[in-house]
Amino acid sequence: NAGVTQTPKFRILKIGQSMTLQCTQDMNHNYMYWYRQDPGMGLKLIYYSVGAGITDKGEVPNGYNVSRSTTEDFPLRLELAAPSQTSVYFCASSRGQGKWNSPLHFGNGTRLTVT
Amino acid sequence: AQRVTQPEKLLSVFKGAPVELKCNYSYSGSPELFWYVQYSRQRLQLLLRHISRESIKGFTADLNKGETSFHLKKPFAQEEDSAMYYCALSGLGQGGSEKLVFGKGTKLTVNP
Repeated sequence: NAGVTQTPKFRILKIGQSMTLQCTQDMNHNYMYWYRQDPGMGLKLIYYSVGAGITDKGEVPNGYNVSRSTTEDFPLRLELAAPSQTSVYFCASSRGQGKWNSPLHFGNGTRLTVT
Repeated sequence: AQRVTQPEKLLSVFKGAPVELKCNYSYSGSPELFWYVQYSRQRLQLLLRHISRESIKGFTADLNKGETSFHLKKPFAQEEDSAMYYCALSGLGQGGSEKLVFGKGTKLTVNP
């Protein structure tokens, strides 16, 4: 199993540009998540999905959009990039929620710089 | 609201010394607590969870509900333990859905 795969690894965007961060998992996990990690800060949840066709906002959803058309894929879209979106983005998945299902499997991250 | 506090941003110890990474939480219900670790150039991964009461790579963590703490301990640190450690709490958020909240992380450096 490849686990959770994120692409690209690095990206530099100009202000106002748009892009999609790709995330795919091959573990048949129902739950998928997008986090951002700013320097010196913990991970903050942007969006999550409990299954194909279902998405919901996390703590910091503004400026982002997601879709979940399949169980495997959970892309994150930035429509109008802003410098405040400079961060490292992590995608994660889990089998479910609850005592034994909560552990997350993470991708390697995407380092995004907006200038 | 759920909150996880890791008071130390950086922690430096010598090889063979005991190490304790502190984690305090705030949550009104019954929490599920985890430690995640990120080694250099590797992805974030689960280290251990309190419900398993397990020891992974010599690390243990005990949930102390009275002190609302879940400190990570190892009696003899090794250089390969150098990494970023995150404490995380899973609990019911607003609306009844479960959510995982992370602390800001502690960077552990084990010196030779």
